[in-house]
Amino acid sequence: DTAVSQTPKYLVTQMGNDKSIKCEQNLGHDTMYWYKQDSKKFLKIMFSYNNKELIINETVPNRFSPKSPDKAHLNLHINSLELGDSAVYFCASSPSRSGRATEQFFGPGTRLTVL
Amino acid sequence: EDQVTQSPEALRLQEGESSSLNCSYTVSGLRGLFWYRQDPGKGPEFLFTLYSAGEEKEKERLKATLTKKESFLHITAPKPEDSATYLCAVVKFGFQKLVFGTGTRLLVSP
Repeated sequence: DTAVSQTPKYLVTQMGNDKSIKCEQNLGHDTMYWYKQDSKKFLKIMFSYNNKELIINETVPNRFSPKSPDKAHLNLHINSLELGDSAVYFCASSPSRSGRATEQFFGPGTRLTVL
Repeated sequence: EDQVTQSPEALRLQEGESSSLNCSYTVSGLRGLFWYRQDPGKGPEFLFTLYSAGEEKEKERLKATLTKKESFLHITAPKPEDSATYLCAVVKFGFQKLVFGTGTRLLVSP
């Protein structure tokens, strides 16, 4: 199946722990993203990488660090987890198309619960 | 500041009862407006992209339109399987990120 996949689907952890979420896309896209969806279902961009280069870094705590080993993968590492980090995290990818905004394709999400 | 506002927040329809969802935006330099559908527990699913005022796109019972200030998602003769949250998002010139609205939760009853 061609898609954006994320692991794990669910992540339950204690405050203060460090955790990672992995994302892979096999759509051949150049750009990948991380979004956060809060309890009110509002989706907000966190980071974006284009061909392994960071191009968007919204106002996100330094505890969040994305890493892109190649253009098909974008992982998210979170240090010292806090209660407020509880949310659903979505990975997305999009093709590059000169001059036009392109549609983004989303993964299934990772529900993070910090206790 | 760029803003995307969707209304209504929630909409309940009977099967076959057509209606429209609204997405109003204030963006300096719109590069594209996107509609997504999100089912509970899943990621947003891409529906349409609109690039300029006057543009329309259709897919099955859905039709999206765009003006300089807003977009409408018209749902004709909806079915229960159309129940979902519909999200609108914009991209402005010079940026790649989607700025989302808060969505409209649609429930279609048989």
